[in-house]
Amino acid sequence: DIQMTQSPSSLSASVGDRVTITCRASQSITSYLNWYQQKPGKAPKLLIYAATSLQSGVPSRFSGSGSGTDFTLTISSLQPEDFATYYCQQSHSTPRYTFGQGTKLEI
Amino acid sequence: EMQLMESGGGLVKPGGSLRLSCTASGFTFSSYSMAWVRQAPGKGLEWVSSISSTGNLISNVDSVKGRFTTSRDNAKNSLYLQMNSLRTEDTAVYYCARVVRFGTNWFDPWGQGTLVTVSS
Repeated sequence: DIQMTQSPSSLSASVGDRVTITCRASQSITSYLNWYQQKPGKAPKLLIYAATSLQSGVPSRFSGSGSGTDFTLTISSLQPEDFATYYCQQSHSTPRYTFGQGTKLEI
Repeated sequence: EMQLMESGGGLVKPGGSLRLSCTASGFTFSSYSMAWVRQAPGKGLEWVSSISSTGNLISNVDSVKGRFTTSRDNAKNSLYLQMNSLRTEDTAVYYCARVVRFGTNWFDPWGQGTLVTVSS
């Protein structure tokens, strides 16, 4: 199975900061990489699909990049509502999927 | 508006069984693969199972093989997860999600989740 490793596991930042979260796959997954945001007690929400495509309705301060094994999620200017946990997911080995362990973004 | 709503969670003893349901609305359910994802308390997301749009292709994570069965009833816009021989480590919030295919795949939307607690 493809393993997904996120770094860091947690991150402290301030409103207005630029933040980058990294996700690394154990083998090439081309661009089959998605990013989700989860707030406490809520279901995950899709942010980015196919490594770089912004889901409809998601603010443009979120962006994704990368291909192969190394990917990043960037938030250009943190807003109060962005403090949450972020997960990457590979869909290269469909119908089997793997998530990263999550990155908790804290104030 | 697309919606998924899970039900059927609860408290069950180790070795027991439980059947989760997920009811879809706002999209053509029969056209989409579906997935179950779980999240143990304080832990990350774990993909559990996927089922194709017709129900003829099912894949499960190794830890639930032989114990969990995913099925669907397209006439009722419903997805099911039959969980047998439950273990304490199956305790989690279980989410259902629609699998969107457009070159690659992603999960959207997700249901609100239903809590399964396995404890004596």
